Amino acid sequence: EIVLTQSPVTLSLSPGERATLSCRASPSVGTSLAWYQQKPGQAPRLLIYDASTRATGIPARFSGSGSGTDFTLTITSLEPEDFAVYYCQRRSNWPYTFGQGTKLEIK
Amino acid sequence: QMQLVQSGAEVKKPGASVKLSCTASGYPFTNYYIHWVRQAPGQGLEWMGIINPRASTTTYAPEFLDRVTMTRDTSTRTVYMELGSLRLEDTAVYFCVRDPDGFDIWGQGTMVTVSS
Repeated sequence: EIVLTQSPVTLSLSPGERATLSCRASPSVGTSLAWYQQKPGQAPRLLIYDASTRATGIPARFSGSGSGTDFTLTITSLEPEDFAVYYCQRRSNWPYTFGQGTKLEIK
Repeated sequence: QMQLVQSGAEVKKPGASVKLSCTASGYPFTNYYIHWVRQAPGQGLEWMGIINPRASTTTYAPEFLDRVTMTRDTSTRTVYMELGSLRLEDTAVYFCVRDPDGFDIWGQGTMVTVSS
């Protein structure tokens, strides 16, 4: 069974700062990893797929990196609308497990 | 406009079944797999399974294997997800989602409440 562990659970930052979110997979998922953003009362939104490819319409301040077991979602210069919960998801084989999420909150 | 539109909220008793629908529009229905994902109140996302609308083949998450069925109707461009033997802990929002490279189009979600 593949497990995805996200850290930190909560990240408190101010607008304009840089956010670094981590997702660790065990065992390796290659580059078959996606990132989603979810705001309260809304469906998640795809940000990144294949570990580093931005989805259509996603601003350039969002970037993904990593391969194998360690992945990072970076948001440069946080905007007020970026405060939300972020999930990673493995896409190497079914089941397409999600991480438990990182809540990015305003400091 | 590409979208997935889901059926309305449901309230069920423990032990009952629920059948949700998800109707696609704005893109070739049989070209993209559809997944079902659920989210219990205040909790994270849980993958339930996948259906290939072209071949009608399915794969289910192990924890749902014995009580979930996913089907499709190509004439109405609709995917269905039936969950049986409902428990209180099945109370959640259920999403259908399209998957080309990542889950790019999500339905609006259907709230299912299981209560005695």
